[in-house]
Amino acid sequence: DAKTTQPNSMESNEEEPVHLPCNHSTISGTDYIHWYRQLPSQGPEYVIHGLTSNVNNRMASLAIAEDRKSSTLILHRATLRDAAVYYCILRDMGYALNFGKGTSLLVTP
Amino acid sequence: DVKVTQSSRYLVKRTGEKVFLECVQDMDHENMFWYRQDPGLGLRLIYFSYDVKMKEKGDIPEGYSVSREKKERFSLILESASTNQTSMYLCASSLWEEAFFGQGTRLTVV
Repeated sequence: DAKTTQPNSMESNEEEPVHLPCNHSTISGTDYIHWYRQLPSQGPEYVIHGLTSNVNNRMASLAIAEDRKSSTLILHRATLRDAAVYYCILRDMGYALNFGKGTSLLVTP
Repeated sequence: DVKVTQSSRYLVKRTGEKVFLECVQDMDHENMFWYRQDPGLGLRLIYFSYDVKMKEKGDIPEGYSVSREKKERFSLILESASTNQTSMYLCASSLWEEAFFGQGTRLTVV
C-alpha cells in the first residue's frame, strides 16, 4: 500500500489560512488522494478528494503537485471548529481507506 | 440524512465472552469497514467488505471475525474478548468516494 507522511501537529490562528501538507512519494497512477478529518469525540468525516487537478468544495481546497508526490489541504479561514485531526489517505478505486496517524490541528483565538 | 448506526455507544464485556458489534447503513453502499482507534495509534483497519458475504482482512484482523449477510449490515465479532481489545470501534460505509462513519462503540473488556 502506498503510504502518506504528515506532520504530527500544526497550529494556526483563527481566521487565517491553514496549509496542511501530505507527502506520498510512492503514489500509483490509480490512487486518489482523500482527506478526512476527525473532530473530538466524533467519527471521521470526509473533506475532499482528487486525482490530478486541484479541487475546491465548500469545506476546503486540495492542491496536488504536478508529479502527484505531494498534496496540500487548504482551509481558507480557520475557525475554532476546524480544530481536528486531519488524515491524508491514498485510495485506489474500490479499495479500503487506510488511515495513518494524521495531523492534529490546533486553532487558537 | 445519510446514516451509519452502531448498535451501542458504550459496552462493557468480560474476558472470554463472545462480543458482537453491529453496524447498519441506510445508503445502499457496497463497501463497509471496521476500524479500531487507540491513543497514539490512529485508526487501524480490522476488516472490510465490498459486497454481501465478501470480506477482506485489514491491517489487524487477529482476534476478530466479521459477518455480512445483508448489504446494510456489517457485524464485527470478537470470538473470545481479551483486555487488549479494549478500544474505540468505528464502522464506516462508502461507495468508492465519500465514506460515512458511525459514532463509534467504546468497548471495555474487563
